[in-house]
Amino acid sequence: GQNIDQPTEMTATEGAIVQINCTYQTSGFNGLFWYQQHAGEAPTFLSYNVLDGLEEKGRFSSFLSRSKGYSYLLLKELQMKDSASYLCAVRDGDYKLSFGAGTTVTVRA
Amino acid sequence: DSGVTQTPKHLITATGQRVTLRCSPRSGDLSVYWYQQSLDQGLQFLIHYYNGEERAKGNILERFSAQQFPDLHSELNLSSLELGDSALYFCASSVGGRTLTGELFFGEGSRLTVL
Repeated sequence: GQNIDQPTEMTATEGAIVQINCTYQTSGFNGLFWYQQHAGEAPTFLSYNVLDGLEEKGRFSSFLSRSKGYSYLLLKELQMKDSASYLCAVRDGDYKLSFGAGTTVTVRA
Repeated sequence: DSGVTQTPKHLITATGQRVTLRCSPRSGDLSVYWYQQSLDQGLQFLIHYYNGEERAKGNILERFSAQQFPDLHSELNLSSLELGDSALYFCASSVGGRTLTGELFFGEGSRLTVL
């Protein structure tokens, strides 16, 4: 099975940086994903890590340490539209993608 | 628009009834996943099909069943509905197999309300 933990909520100010941590335990590992989900909408893909290190994609970066079972999503230059739930997901050896409960980020002016 | 189509978008029914949710994956995608998202809860994996065959099963109730047809569309059947089955049901598709990222593309979801 899989166990994926991430904080429930985070609040930050517009223009600031927020880091969302995710720890996981899984039987087999085949990649870690971050998705963004606005309330009542479909999740949308943000990033993917399968090797250790940092992946940068515009204002969003994601880091992975497989030995520590740890990842983080870094959101820079926060905008009001970044207020959403951020989902950490782990793909196991059977290519099943399991999601954490999500971190609700609130951006304040 | 992710290219994944789900119908119906909204569905209201009574306890004990049966419903079918339909999903058409993106063109060329062979994998279809079903997820359930209840209020204030995360996405719960239900089942995964690849090219018509069941590949993995999550916490799917025995009252629920799914299949993927030769044209690759999928249906999720929910029977003997209970109040607790009220949720947003998402379908997602991916190319499948051992692709580079295998990211999932989600449909807009089917919101089921059981009264």
